[in-house]
Amino acid sequence: DAKTTQPTSMDCAEGRAANLPCNHSTISGNEYVYWYRQIHSQGPQYIIHGLKNNETNEMASLIITEDRKSSTLILPHATLRDTAVYYCIVRVAGQSGANSKLTFGKGITLSVRP
Amino acid sequence: KAGVTQTPRYLIKTRGQQVTLSCSPISGHRSVSWYQQTPGQGLQFLFEYFSETQRNKGNFPGRFSGRQFSNSRSEMNVSTLELGDSALYLCATSTGNSYEQYFGPGTRLTVT
Repeated sequence: DAKTTQPTSMDCAEGRAANLPCNHSTISGNEYVYWYRQIHSQGPQYIIHGLKNNETNEMASLIITEDRKSSTLILPHATLRDTAVYYCIVRVAGQSGANSKLTFGKGITLSVRP
Repeated sequence: KAGVTQTPRYLIKTRGQQVTLSCSPISGHRSVSWYQQTPGQGLQFLFEYFSETQRNKGNFPGRFSGRQFSNSRSEMNVSTLELGDSALYLCATSTGNSYEQYFGPGTRLTVT
């Protein structure tokens, strides 16, 4: 799986958009970008994933650059409950699901301030 | 639908003992993966079971083992516990053909 690089931490004001960057310059053509988050003392929570098109769901938006070497997770209106460690993971997702392993880095700690 | 269940939630053991942790997946999920989380090493993949077969394994010693039952419930066992095995043990489940995995709340193991 390709390696990812994320800043160590960032903060944003409640109600504002939080833009979390991730670099994955060695990503392969068949690797997806996944985002998970982990709120203190809980299990990680799946947020979103994408291959090359931008994706949006009820939690967040994922913007992937055209060369796929970086991406940004956007939380459009951050709340205090969004304070967590956010992990950007790159992995192959085959139809057989044979590669379910997730390789977590250190992630980025997002602090949402009132 | 019910989420991933892990039991017990907290456990205290002494060095040299062995421990068994349980993970019940979301209904319909056949893949169960196990992870260890420590402050020093972060989240590390232990192994994955799918249809009662181990199909992926991380870099952990043989003291760490697992199994999966026909109802997809999985157990992991750690024998001859060491202080360094103190960690949050998480399981994650999926259908096996899906892109997202769902994590349980974890079992906090403390070895004294």
